[in-house]
Amino acid sequence: GQNIDQPTEMTATEGAIVQINCTYQTSGFNGLFWYQQHAGEAPTFLSYNVLDGLEEKGRFSSFLSRSKGYSYLLLKELQMKDSASYLCAVKSLGGNTPLVFGKGTRLSVIA
Amino acid sequence: DADVTQTPRNRITKTGKRIMLECSQTKGHDRMYWYRQDPGLGLRLIYYSFDVKDINKGEISDGYSVSRQAQAKFSLSLESAIPNQTALYFCATSAEGRGAHSYNEQFFGPGTRLTVL
Repeated sequence: GQNIDQPTEMTATEGAIVQINCTYQTSGFNGLFWYQQHAGEAPTFLSYNVLDGLEEKGRFSSFLSRSKGYSYLLLKELQMKDSASYLCAVKSLGGNTPLVFGKGTRLSVIA
Repeated sequence: DADVTQTPRNRITKTGKRIMLECSQTKGHDRMYWYRQDPGLGLRLIYYSFDVKDINKGEISDGYSVSRQAQAKFSLSLESAIPNQTALYFCATSAEGRGAHSYNEQFFGPGTRLTVL
């Protein structure tokens, strides 16, 4: 089976940096996704990691350590519009296995 | 135009009624999914289909059924709605991954907010 853990809520200040962690346990890892979801809206794709290391994309970066079953999403220069839920999702080996999503981390950016 | 559409966007119904939620996509993807989302519980997979002839149960399929009418259409039915099926329902699609590093991310529809009284 799979188990994915993320903090439920986080609060950070506009202009600051925040790191959202995700730990996972899976039999056969084949990639990790981060999605952003604003309240009442659809999740939208942010990043994908399958190899160890940091992937940078503008203000957002995502890190993966497969040996530790650990990923984080790093948001820099926080803006009020970054207030949203951030979902970690794991892909397992096997072409016909759907993603498993964590419960999400609700980030509030305050002035 | 949206690539993944869901109808209706909002629905209020009564206990015991049959409800159908529809999903259409223009992305040409073979794979389609239905999720429900409840506060504090995240996205939970109800059913998924990897092609027109393939239907699979997800984590929480009891009380639901699906129909894959065509590559572009995937419908979710609640045969006899009950109040604890009140939730936000999302349809999603993805391409089949090809190559060592293709990741075929999921694209989500805008959601259907269902309330069962």
